[in-house]
Amino acid sequence: TQLLEQSPQFLSIQEGENLTVYCNSSSVFSSLQWYRQEPGEGPVLLVTVVTGGEVKKLKRLTFQFGDARKDSSLHITAAQPGDTGLYLCAGVNQAGTALIFGKGTTLSVSS
Amino acid sequence: EAGVTQFPSHSVIEKGQTVTLRCDPISGHDNLYWYRRVMGKEIKFLLHFVKESKQDESGMPNNRFLAERTGGTYSTLKVQPAELEDSGVYFCASSQAPTYTGVYGPGELFFGEGSRLTVL
Repeated sequence: TQLLEQSPQFLSIQEGENLTVYCNSSSVFSSLQWYRQEPGEGPVLLVTVVTGGEVKKLKRLTFQFGDARKDSSLHITAAQPGDTGLYLCAGVNQAGTALIFGKGTTLSVSS
Repeated sequence: EAGVTQFPSHSVIEKGQTVTLRCDPISGHDNLYWYRRVMGKEIKFLLHFVKESKQDESGMPNNRFLAERTGGTYSTLKVQPAELEDSGVYFCASSQAPTYTGVYGPGELFFGEGSRLTVL
């Protein structure tokens, strides 16, 4: 069974701090996606990483896919209150037809 | 362009009753997915339509759940009879990408806001 473990589960920080969220598995994934979800809304795709070792940047967000394609991280530099939300990682299942989600990391950034 | 629309946003029913959730995907998206998040758990895949055909329904919990997508447009997910453990948020998502087993999998999914189901 493919599982994705996210850590930490909750994170509460001050504006301007840096943070890293982790997404780990014992399984290899062909690709991983990161989503952000706000209360009362559905998840919104932030990025897809495909190649082992790949690094993608989206403004202050940096996403990395592990060399072995078993883990990924999301680093936010100088967090802002607008970054508050639930961050989800999701990997493509072995059949390539659906996503397997982690439980998510709830981030709260206070000013 | 309108996003994925789900109805109702919240439904409260008694155990044993029937509930039907509806999803209107983004126009032109052939792929439609249903996912569910039970409290404290991760979002889990239920099933996948390509147009009106069920491509993969391996995630459906049991035969109390019935999904349809007549005409390949909107989809409904019926739970009959509902049980307490069916409570959760049901998400619908659609995508334009063709379905194939490959690196990219389902492609970019566009999610609706979810339908929260509470079974008492």
